[in-house]
Amino acid sequence: DIQLTQSPLSLSTSVGERVTITCRASQSIGSNVNWYQQHPGKAPKLLIYVASYLQSGVASRFSGARSGTEFTLTISSLQPEDFATYFCQQSYSSPFTFGQGTRLEIK
Amino acid sequence: QVQLQESGPGLVKPSETLSLICNVSGDSINKYYWNWIRQSPGKGLEWIGYVYHSGTTDYNPSLKSRVTMWVDSTKKYFSLNLSAVTTADTAVYYCARGIAVASYDPWGQGIQVTVSS
Repeated sequence: DIQLTQSPLSLSTSVGERVTITCRASQSIGSNVNWYQQHPGKAPKLLIYVASYLQSGVASRFSGARSGTEFTLTISSLQPEDFATYFCQQSYSSPFTFGQGTRLEIK
Repeated sequence: QVQLQESGPGLVKPSETLSLICNVSGDSINKYYWNWIRQSPGKGLEWIGYVYHSGTTDYNPSLKSRVTMWVDSTKKYFSLNLSAVTTADTAVYYCARGIAVASYDPWGQGIQVTVSS
């Protein structure tokens, strides 16, 4: 199975800050990574697909990028509603796997 | 817009079969890949498998021997059976539409399933 390793696993930060979350794949997977946001008690929501494409309806402060087997999710200016947990997921090959999640907390 | 809703028992006894249904509204079930994903504190998010509208399936090898999925196009739902459950199968179970196979949007609200005697 393809392993995805996220870092950091938690981050304490403030409204207005710029945040970057990293996801490293255990092997080459092209650009086949998606990013999801999950609030407590809610289902995950798709933010970014194929590494850098913004899902319809998602705020433009979210962006994704790829460098080799390293993928990043950046939030340019944190808003109060962005404090949540973020997961990466590979759609390259079955079984489709997720990262451990990165929890953003308010400082 | 498409909406998904899981239903089924919230409590299942060890060794029995967990059965869930996902009702699909607002879009045709006769396209896309229809997925089950679960989430537990110990294992995080785990993809269980998908069923395509044609009936084609793909299951996670870690669960394959115990999983069955199917789709009922006329009634607009798809289903999950997980047999011989143990406490390790306790989780929130989500159904999700798969776009381009494995980009999941949207998800159902999730259903907590506890395995306990």
